[in-house]
Amino acid sequence: QSALTQPASVSGSPGQSITISCTGTSSDVGGYNYVSWYQQHPGKAPKLMIYDVSKRPSGVSNRFSGSKSGNTASLTISGLQAEDEADYYCSSYRSSSTSWVFGTGTKVTVL
Amino acid sequence: QVQLVQSGAEVKKPGASVKVSCMASGYTFSNYAISWVRQAPGQGLEWMGWISAYSGNTNYAQKFQGRVTMTTDTSTGTAYMELRSLRSDDTAVYYCAKGRYYDVLIGYWVHFDYWGQGTLVTVSS
Repeated sequence: QSALTQPASVSGSPGQSITISCTGTSSDVGGYNYVSWYQQHPGKAPKLMIYDVSKRPSGVSNRFSGSKSGNTASLTISGLQAEDEADYYCSSYRSSSTSWVFGTGTKVTVL
Repeated sequence: QVQLVQSGAEVKKPGASVKVSCMASGYTFSNYAISWVRQAPGQGLEWMGWISAYSGNTNYAQKFQGRVTMTTDTSTGTAYMELRSLRSDDTAVYYCAKGRYYDVLIGYWVHFDYWGQGTLVTVSS
């Protein structure tokens, strides 16, 4: 099963905003609002940051926001901080294979 | 607080099997599903499947069907993932994760809101 497409890397300076894209198809990202985003620091387990496209779990900073347009979902991090430097993965339900699929992952670097 | 605690690292030979455990606490285990996700060294996340702790129903990724078995023990709040016929490319960190909710519209467990610490499985001759 093919992964959702994310940029390999995105960078920004402290205080800036960055956006990570996640492109799929009408069978996954475009067809359902079951997109979630995960943050993973080196050597650590992933952490849920956004679910159902734009909802934040309790305890997640409101600097993280999610959206979707067509077959592309996006994660925006505003007021970038050093602690945001990590890998980020999108994920979605995929109806064509009745499965869950992850994105290729994006490394965020804080300059 | 919700916690998922996994069993320790394993080293296996090609062709062998491995069984990883995931002990849950802090929530009603039987009300949710447990998914398994793996990550090969330096690679991305790969979903393997989920099991409903309530019904025992499973949904495996096509790639692993016939080679993986997921089970739960509701008396101890523990989930298990057994992978057979191991190959070198099965070397990875294996994570268990709690399903956030079951969506009746699609009949599927969606999202992963709590994760275990991961279990490194190394397959080497």
